[in-house]
Amino acid sequence: DSGVTQTPKHLITATGQRVTLRCSPRSGDLSVYWYQQSLDQGLQFLIQYYNGEERAKGNILERFSAQQFPDLHSELNLSSLELGDSALYFCASSVSGETDTQYFGPGTRLTVL
Amino acid sequence: GENVEQHPSTLSVQEGDSAVIKCTYSDSASNYFPWYKQELGKRPQLIIDIRSNVGEKKDQRIAVTLNKTAKHFSLHITETQPEDSAVYFCAAFLNSGYALNFGKGTSLLVTP
Repeated sequence: DSGVTQTPKHLITATGQRVTLRCSPRSGDLSVYWYQQSLDQGLQFLIQYYNGEERAKGNILERFSAQQFPDLHSELNLSSLELGDSALYFCASSVSGETDTQYFGPGTRLTVL
Repeated sequence: GENVEQHPSTLSVQEGDSAVIKCTYSDSASNYFPWYKQELGKRPQLIIDIRSNVGEKKDQRIAVTLNKTAKHFSLHITETQPEDSAVYFCAAFLNSGYALNFGKGTSLLVTP
């Protein structure tokens, strides 16, 4: 157990819908990262937050957004869902948000039907 | 961004043999190189990492080597066991932060 928690574990929804994924970082970690893992694209970085502020953006679609709250938990919002959004979504956290170890949560498996 | 190439994509070895997975990166400013192990349906777990100020790091049966001149790093697993079977990912972390760029993964199968 890395100490990073994510909810829900599984999510099944329909195309066009909107969902919210939640992540709580390890105690003491200030930075949160979101990654998407699909079979054909591997692990892709989406977005990073550090102490409530967006720090870096990767291959995140405009339909997706995220935020980090004052208690440091983070939410990833996915809207206008498409079949291709089906994937495992991982959250990771680290202490400083720079060149330190990232610890991954258990992931949320999203299935869009 | 940083490109990380990983080879091979699949690797099958017999129990007790060694396994080697290689990665190359494109940005010479990269200074941190972690390796993650992911079992089916589970989270990626850090197994070893190396920073650019050292050339080799070892932890029991696992070692990582780094050649900054050639811009490649490798994972070595000795005396492999069936429980080593998993997908292994290398990653590179740019000097400027902020996110990990992963290789495509190597599916390792250790047969008894």
